[in-house]
Amino acid sequence: GAVVSQHPSRVICKSGTSVKIECRSLDFQATTMFWYRQFPKQSLMLMATSNEGSKATYEQGVEKDKFLINHASLTLSTLTVTSAHPEDSSFYICSARESDYEKLFFGSGTQLSVL
Amino acid sequence: GQNIDQPTEMTATEGAIVQINCTYQTSGFNGLFWYQQHAGEAPTFLSYNVLDGLEEKGRFSSFLSRSKGYSYLLLKELQMKDSASYLCAVKEQDSWGKLQFGAGTQVVVTP
Repeated sequence: GAVVSQHPSRVICKSGTSVKIECRSLDFQATTMFWYRQFPKQSLMLMATSNEGSKATYEQGVEKDKFLINHASLTLSTLTVTSAHPEDSSFYICSARESDYEKLFFGSGTQLSVL
Repeated sequence: GQNIDQPTEMTATEGAIVQINCTYQTSGFNGLFWYQQHAGEAPTFLSYNVLDGLEEKGRFSSFLSRSKGYSYLLLKELQMKDSASYLCAVKEQDSWGKLQFGAGTQVVVTP
């Protein structure tokens, strides 16, 4: 099946710093990628839809200036958490869909801990 | 938007059968997915239903009734490794096909 690679798997940073998370589709082209956030024992909350070559579409309540999304190519989307604070500590997961198939494939996730 | 409801937790013994129900209220529907997620890991795809009826795949089966806004995931011959969270997700009827997830059902399999 299709593979989505997400990096890094875990990051610990100081409050106020920025963190970049990469999401790559390894064996298919993904015109659309999705970014989710998951707090402990809660479900995945969609943050934004990332479209190659255009601006991301953010869900209600998600700050676009804080969570910068760049989908520069058909195989790469990045999420940058700017000026991270402890409340941003969460599990961030990207997902991508092959254009001709229905199911989403998920990256392995990034556990962000902001001190 | 979507309103997706599923039980918080279910416990069953090894070898038994468990049925996880999911109800949804949606302004647009374009399919329902079930994913399995182990703690600290990304979700893995289990099933997809877009038409009414039962889809069987090995020990796992999924059912959909669009008129009732209802789906269930049936896990048969439970194994210890099936202990995980099971997420019901509805695909929206938009150009991107984004998924909205329920809160997940934690299944605990006991010996």
